[in-house]
Amino acid sequence: QVQLQESGPGLVKPSQTLSLTCTVSGGSISSSGHYWTWIRQHPGTGLEWIGYIYYSGTTYYNPSLNSRVTMSVDTSRDQFSLNLSSVTAADTAVYYCARGEDYYDSRGSRLGQYLDYWGQGILVTVSS
Amino acid sequence: DIQLTQSPSFLSASVGDRVTITCRASQDISNSLAWYRQEPGKAPRLLIYAASTLQVGVPSRFSGSGSGTEFTLTISSLQPEDFATYYCQQLNSYPSFTFGPGTKVDVK
Repeated sequence: QVQLQESGPGLVKPSQTLSLTCTVSGGSISSSGHYWTWIRQHPGTGLEWIGYIYYSGTTYYNPSLNSRVTMSVDTSRDQFSLNLSSVTAADTAVYYCARGEDYYDSRGSRLGQYLDYWGQGILVTVSS
Repeated sequence: DIQLTQSPSFLSASVGDRVTITCRASQDISNSLAWYRQEPGKAPRLLIYAASTLQVGVPSRFSGSGSGTEFTLTISSLQPEDFATYYCQQLNSYPSFTFGPGTKVDVK
């Protein structure tokens, strides 16, 4: 059973960088076809997809956050990380890490990517 | 970017009720849609992907249908743990795998 666990500071000051790590257990972060993803949820609202990183280091970020987001992966520790720079109060949210899995049709064409395992989430508050 | 809307936003129901939630996409996404259930204080849980494929371990009272721009999630007999918020997500179109705004199901 794959499990993910977020860790990092729960309080970050405005203009600083938010840094979170997700530790994967019960499976390898280097498994093919899996995209290690960050999602956030502002208090009382819906879900926002932040982006993903593949074990090779390939990344894709939501353009709305693109200029402030950096993700990295440490395959030796089965961990991946999120850095979000120049944070403001608007970045206060519960941050989730999750595993994205590609799925295909019978001819082998990729049809999409769903999120099948999630961490429990970590609340990060931006405040001085 | 693809936008998703959900209806209704809120729904009141009782244990045993049949419940249907609709998700509409701003453009054709074929069957590239998933449904998640989020219980209060918990992470979302994948229920259905590819519009109608039940994720392993998910009870059979959940079903999904639709393609193109209109999709539905049906719960055939609502259970106590199903009082939660449900989100749809489009799975294949960059730049962002957007989520719908959610439908909250609470106790009548």
